[in-house]
Amino acid sequence: GDSVTQMEGPVTLSEEAFLTINCTYTATGYPSLFWYVQYPGEGLQLLLKATKADDKGSNKGFEATYRKETTSFHLEKGSVQVSDSAVYFCALRDNDMRFGAGTRLTVKP
Amino acid sequence: EAGVTQFPSHSVIEKGQTVTLRCDPISGHDNLYWYRRVMGKEIKFLLHFVKESKQDESGMPNNRFLAERTGGTYSTLKVQPAELEDSGVYFCASSQRGRGQSTDTQYFGPGTRLTVL
Repeated sequence: GDSVTQMEGPVTLSEEAFLTINCTYTATGYPSLFWYVQYPGEGLQLLLKATKADDKGSNKGFEATYRKETTSFHLEKGSVQVSDSAVYFCALRDNDMRFGAGTRLTVKP
Repeated sequence: EAGVTQFPSHSVIEKGQTVTLRCDPISGHDNLYWYRRVMGKEIKFLLHFVKESKQDESGMPNNRFLAERTGGTYSTLKVQPAELEDSGVYFCASSQRGRGQSTDTQYFGPGTRLTVL
């Protein structure tokens, strides 16, 4: 069945460092891909999405490109801030929603 | 516009007790989903309502879990009797279009953290 595998955490970075959180997927159809973020004490928020191959989702300085050839949707940000500290979930949706295990990011000043 | 809300935010109960979680979806969203994240693992699908009907409950772990959505508005998820392994964060989500519409976006609530002692 469909599944999502994402980079295990936790990830700790200094402010202004470059961030990559890897995400790969397995799907039989043509899923949409998502990144959700959960800030401390809050619920899941949609960060960005891409609905077809080669689409790039972007929001708040984060980007991810839907790569069908490598079945990947890696999350990147050029310069992280302390306020980016959160848990990040990669997800796909074909028929059902499938999530990765989450990656905890801590950004230190 | 209000987002998805869930109540309570935290619940601590003893093994064998009953707990009822509530979810209020975004107004106008016919589709309502329940998910669970246990022990830092992936978020897993539990079930899906379209209005008041259960569209898919294949993710429900066992018959100790009962979900309802009377009137097609808010939903409740009851765990009776609760077991230790039921501890986790229970998320609710809602969407306009629904399953099979891969471009549809689900909006999540803040979750209810359930601890069974």
